[in-house]
Amino acid sequence: DIQMTQSPSTLSASVGDRVTITCRASQNINSWLAWYQQKPGKAPKLLIYKVSSLESGVPSRFSGSGSGTEFTLTISSLQPDDFATYYCQQYDTYSWTFGQGTKVEIK
Amino acid sequence: EVQLVESGGDLVQPGGSLRVSCAASGFTFSNFWMSWVRQAPGKGLEWVANIKQDGSEKFYVDSVKGRFTISRDNSKNSVYLQMNSLRVEDTAVYYCARARVAATPATFDIWGQGTMVTVSS
Repeated sequence: DIQMTQSPSTLSASVGDRVTITCRASQNINSWLAWYQQKPGKAPKLLIYKVSSLESGVPSRFSGSGSGTEFTLTISSLQPDDFATYYCQQYDTYSWTFGQGTKVEIK
Repeated sequence: EVQLVESGGDLVQPGGSLRVSCAASGFTFSNFWMSWVRQAPGKGLEWVANIKQDGSEKFYVDSVKGRFTISRDNSKNSVYLQMNSLRVEDTAVYYCARARVAATPATFDIWGQGTMVTVSS
């Protein structure tokens, strides 16, 4: 099975900061890489699909990039509503795997 | 409004059984793959099971194979997860999720609010 490793596990940042979260796969994966945001006590919310496509209604400050085994989620200017935990997720031949999560905290 | 609503979570003893349900509304349910994803307290997300639109294909994470069964009833716009031989490590919030596009189950775009399953003596 493909393992997904996110870094960092926790990130402290201020409003207005540019934030980058990295997700590494244990082997090359295709373009089925997604990013989710989750707030405490709430269900995850899809932000990015197919590496870099922005889900409808998601602010344009969120962007995704990468290929092969390394992928990134970037928040261009962190807003108060963005403090949350972020997960990457891959899909490969009927197997779905999430990263362990990155918590974005207020600095 | 597109919506998924889970129900059926409960406290159950180790070795016991439980069925959780997910009712869909606001979209053509029979067109989409459906999934269950769980989250243990304070932990990350773990995909559990998927089912194809017509129920002909089902997939499970290794840790639940032989114990959990996913099913759906398109006439009732519902998906189910039958959980047998429950273990303490199955304790989690169980989310129902929809595949983003009908053609592939790759990404989950709609999630329910979750239902809590606690396995404890």
